[in-house]
This record gives sequence, structure tokens and C-alpha cells, in this order.
Amino acid sequence: GQQVMQIPQYQHVQEGEDFTTYCNSSTTLSNIQWYKQRPGGHPVFLIQLVKSGEVKKQKRLTFQFGEAKKNSSLHITATQTTDVGTYFCAASENYKLSFGAGTTVTVRA
Amino acid sequence: DSGVTQTPKHLITATGQRVTLRCSPRSGDLSVYWYQQSLDQGLQFLIQYYNGEERAKGNILERFSAQQFPDLHSELNLSSLELGDSALYFCASSGGGGNHEQYFGPGTRLTVT
Repeated sequence: GQQVMQIPQYQHVQEGEDFTTYCNSSTTLSNIQWYKQRPGGHPVFLIQLVKSGEVKKQKRLTFQFGEAKKNSSLHITATQTTDVGTYFCAASENYKLSFGAGTTVTVRA
Repeated sequence: DSGVTQTPKHLITATGQRVTLRCSPRSGDLSVYWYQQSLDQGLQFLIQYYNGEERAKGNILERFSAQQFPDLHSELNLSSLELGDSALYFCASSGGGGNHEQYFGPGTRLTVT
């Protein structure tokens, strides 16, 4: 099945700074989804990208799908303490989602 | 609140035992998914049901089984439990197949001693 690799595994960010997490696949993806899991919580759907080169924004979060549909990124600007958590990308194939290992974000105030 | 409910919240049991985890999907959702999340394995897809029928299978052990009932709630049965089965088990639901966003329940934390 499709596997997606996420980097970095951990991201320690100073409050107010920007950071980016990446999701890569060796195969072409039909779509990519992003989820956020707060500490002690459950994954929460953020967004789905379907089209090649697609860019979507949610306030300080910018999601991008690569032109070849093999990679995706999540960029967060002006990081806040509310951004703490683990961000997962997930690729769908044959009715199932394959999740990346996630990027765990901590924020230094 | 995602609208997906899971019971129980916590479960502590001994090795060799059998447990049943229960999930009620969001109103109107036909698909139910089960995931296992452990520290060293991340979020692993186990199995999916759509309107009562098994649709996709992931890395689910033979000791584990699931079903979806006519009222669309689902149960995950774990038997001959081992220490390594200790994990968070999430249920998620969606309106259709894997291309749809999934809504996760709060999870059941299973501890096998």
C-alpha cells in the first residue's frame, strides 16, 4: 500500500516563528489529508488536497500539494501555543487511509 | 466533539483475556474505521466497514475481529491479549470511502497487564 514519510519527526518552535512539516511519497497520490492531534486527544481532520499544485489556507496554516502529487507540506506562520500537537498527513488508497508517522510540535513561549 | 462515541474510555485487563470495544459513528455516516495507536507504531489502520460489510483490511491480527451492526455501530473484539496490544484504539467514521475526511472518536485506552 501507499506509504507516506513525514519529516521532521519533532519540531521545537519558538513562539512567533514559522515552521514547515513535509510529507513525501514514492508513488503518485490521489489525494492527501492532514490531521492534527492535540496531546491526550484524538486526530482531527484539517484539510484534504486533491489537485496537483493545490494550495489551501486556513488562517495561519498553509497546505500545499506538489505538482507531481507525490509530496505535500504544511506551513504554519507565527506559531502559537495552541499549535502544539502532532500533525499527520494521510494518503488514501482503496478505501483506507495510510497515516504518516506525524510531526510532533512543541512551542517555546 | 466529533459526534463519534467510543466505550469504554479505559480498559485494564490481563494477558490472555478478551475484550470488546464499541463505537457509534456520527449520525448518517456509513463507514467505520478502526485504528491502533501505540508509541512506537504510530496510527495503524486495522479495518473498515461500510454499511455492515467489511470493505478494507489493514494490519489487523488474526486475534482481532470486528463487525458493524445494522444500526451501524461497530465492535472491535480483541482476544488472547498480549502485553504488546496495550495501545489507544480509535474508531473513526465517514460518509463514504477513504477519500472522505474521517471523524475520530475519543479512543479507548487499553492496558494489558
